[in-house]
Formats: sequence, structure tokens, C-alpha cells
Amino acid sequence: RKEVEQDPGPFNVPEGATVAFNCTYSNSASQSFFWYRQDCRKEPKLLMSVYSSGNEDGRFTAQLNRASQYISLLIRDSKLSDSATYLCVVKLAGNDMRFGAGTRLTVKP
Amino acid sequence: ETGVTQSPTHLIKTRGQQVTLRCSSQSGHNTVSWYQQALGQGPQFIFQYYREEENGRGNFPPRFSGLQFPNYSSELNVNALELDDSALYLCASSSQGGSYNEQFFGPGTRLTVL
Repeated sequence: RKEVEQDPGPFNVPEGATVAFNCTYSNSASQSFFWYRQDCRKEPKLLMSVYSSGNEDGRFTAQLNRASQYISLLIRDSKLSDSATYLCVVKLAGNDMRFGAGTRLTVKP
Repeated sequence: ETGVTQSPTHLIKTRGQQVTLRCSSQSGHNTVSWYQQALGQGPQFIFQYYREEENGRGNFPPRFSGLQFPNYSSELNVNALELDDSALYLCASSSQGGSYNEQFFGPGTRLTVL
């Protein structure tokens, strides 16, 4: 079993759609949680951190359920510019960051 | 503010050779982490350097080694290259070594081992 597992994707959605990505992690000692975005042939960039209470940044909402070891990302009112691969990231002790394989999103006109 | 830079951008080596990849951290950052990203996969943590010392390591063999210099730039060295070492190598810099702060990634070095 992979340490961080994500929806396989790809997700192809029309502009304006709401899309949700799920992620599960296996290590209960995981300390911090993040979503990164990676455009094709580019480096990953931090999208948002994920907190237990849930957090929102504009059209993006992240949720964490420590008991179920589950993380989610919701994107509302999708834009063409949201097309990218979304990486679920879990930080273990000792600065060890574990990335999921990523879920590819394509938003179409 | 200067972002994270990496060199070279592309590299082709043959099995058994050695390679050195370089990373300059973002201005004001003292921590550099290295990752390996195979095609279609997420980045895998290799190790992190903070104040010129290794500060955490992922599940990579000892032939993957690194250095950090007083100006916080860093090198990743890989000895005895194998075909499976073909990947995008990313470095990321941040401002602290003891706790997580946002990591800023460089554009990567694409290594091909033939």
C-alpha cells in the first residue's frame, strides 16, 4: 500500500463545475498536510496547507480527518487555469515529505 | 527576490557514471531539500540539508549523497548510476530546518541514464 494515495484521475470537467479530490495516508504519525499544484513540465507549488478544522482559500476548500486519515480538496467554479496536477502531501517527522502520485485535472471551455 | 535555480536543466549519463546536480536556494532561505520525481509519480524525498548538515533522509541508498555550502546552495551527487535513476530531480528551499515552512521548488534537472 502506498503511503499517500490519491484518486487516479484524470478529471475532465467543464468550466464552472465543482470538483473534489480525495487522498488517504497510511502513517498515523503524520504531522502536517498540504495540497500542491504542479503544471505540466513545471515544478510543484504550494496551493494550501490543510488544517484539522478545515480551511478555505477563495474557491478552494481543504479538509482533514485525522481519525480516518483522509484529506480532501474541493474546487468550486472551476477555471481553465485550474488545469494541473494536484499533489497531496503529508509531512512525517524529520522533515520527510511524502507526496501522492497526483491527480490530473483538465477544465474545458 | 531571487527564486530557486538548478543546473543543469537536462543531463544524459550512462550506467555506472557519477553525476552532480546543483541548486541555489531562494534568497533568505537556509534549508534545501532534494526530491526525485519519476514520470507520472509524485516527488520522493531524498534528503534535506540545514546549516550544512543532513537534516532528514528518505528511503534512498547511500550512493545518493549531498552537500550544502555556507551560502546555502547545495549539491546532489549520485554514484554508480542505474537506469531507474532517470527522473526529474527537484530541489526546494525553505527558511527553517526544524519545522515546516513553505518549500519553494526549483525548475528541476531532468536526468536520463542510458
